[in-house]
Amino acid sequence: KQEVTQIPAALSVPEGENLVLNCSFTDSAIYNLQWFRQDPGKGLTSLLLIQSSQREQTSGRLNASLDKSSGRSTLYIAASQPGDSATYLCAVSESGSRLTFGEGTQLTVNP
Amino acid sequence: DGGITQSPKYLFRKEGQNVTLSCEQNLNHDAMYWYRQDPGQGLRLIYYSQIVNDFQKGDIAEGYSVSREKKESFPLTVTSAQKNPTAFYLCASSLRGGSPPAEQYFGPGTRLTVT
Repeated sequence: KQEVTQIPAALSVPEGENLVLNCSFTDSAIYNLQWFRQDPGKGLTSLLLIQSSQREQTSGRLNASLDKSSGRSTLYIAASQPGDSATYLCAVSESGSRLTFGEGTQLTVNP
Repeated sequence: DGGITQSPKYLFRKEGQNVTLSCEQNLNHDAMYWYRQDPGQGLRLIYYSQIVNDFQKGDIAEGYSVSREKKESFPLTVTSAQKNPTAFYLCASSLRGGSPPAEQYFGPGTRLTVT
């Protein structure tokens, strides 16, 4: 059974710092990996989707990488801002329509 | 505006009552999903539907039921058989079901409290 782990569970950084969030998964037979953002009490916003054949995806200050063979993905946030404070979730997609989620990293960016 | 709507945002029920959560999408997506989120945990799949009039159980389907009579709608009923129904419920949709899987888009969620 696929298991997804995110480290760290919580992270607090000063504004302007570059940071990396980690996601690992146990079964490398995935179709894609998605990174989501969740604000308190809200739904999920999709940030980046990486297909299994891709190595990375970029959107603005966000860069996500995927190493399928080692079961790892990282989300890099450049020049962090207080507005980046949220919980970041990664999820892997296997056969069919199933997404398996990690427990998330709660990020706080202090002004 | 295209998107996924869930109503209500907050729902309160007494133990022993069934309750139905609404999910509507106007994205013309074939597939729809229901997830449950508990504090400090990731999302867990309850039910999903790849096409109208068809749905499959996810990882934690016990105590829940769904229907998919229209493409736009995928209501979730939390029955009295669900042991711990208090949670945050999220609905999602994707352009298609099956493989290769398409990107999923999420609604704003419904917080259900059962006392």
